[in-house]
Amino acid sequence: NAGVTQTPKFQVLKTGQSMTLQCAQDMNHEYMSWYRQDPGMGLRLIHYSVGAGITDQGEVPNGYNVSRSTTEDFPLRLLSAAPSQTSVYFCASSPSGEPFNNEQFFGPGTRLTVL
Amino acid sequence: AQSVTQLDSHVSVSEGTPVLLRCNYSSSYSPSLFWYVQHPNKGLQLLLKYTSAATLVKGINGFEAEFKKSETSFHLTKPSAHMSDAAEYFCVVSRDDYKLSFGAGTTVTVRA
Repeated sequence: NAGVTQTPKFQVLKTGQSMTLQCAQDMNHEYMSWYRQDPGMGLRLIHYSVGAGITDQGEVPNGYNVSRSTTEDFPLRLLSAAPSQTSVYFCASSPSGEPFNNEQFFGPGTRLTVL
Repeated sequence: AQSVTQLDSHVSVSEGTPVLLRCNYSSSYSPSLFWYVQHPNKGLQLLLKYTSAATLVKGINGFEAEFKKSETSFHLTKPSAHMSDAAEYFCVVSRDDYKLSFGAGTTVTVRA
């Protein structure tokens, strides 16, 4: 199993540009989520999904969209990039729709810089 | 509401000495608690988890944590630090709305 994969690893955008961060998992996990990591703030939840066709907002959803058309894929779209979105983005998945007791499997991250 | 406070942003230890990373949580119910480790430029990896079974939880690489409900703490320890333990550590608490709350992280430096 490849686990959780993310592309690209690095990205530089100009303010106002849009892009999609890709996330895929091959473990048939129901729960998938996107986090951003900023220094001194831990990880903050952007959006999550408890299964195909079901998504919901996390703590910091503004400026981001998600969709979940398949179990495997959970792309994150930046609609109009802003410098405040400069961060490291992590995708994670876990076996069931309830992450309470389950290990989260994290991808390697995407380092995004917005100029 | 559930939240997590990691009491030290940075811990420096000598190789072979004990490591203690402190975590306090607040929760309106009995949560599940986790410790994750992140090595430089890597994703996060689960060290251990507490899910209302034994209060002393053993994890990978010699780490363990003790859940103390009366103190609302979940401190992480290791008896003897190794150079490979240099990383950032996150205390995480489950919430009752399909979400997890992460602490701000503790960076561990190991001196030779």
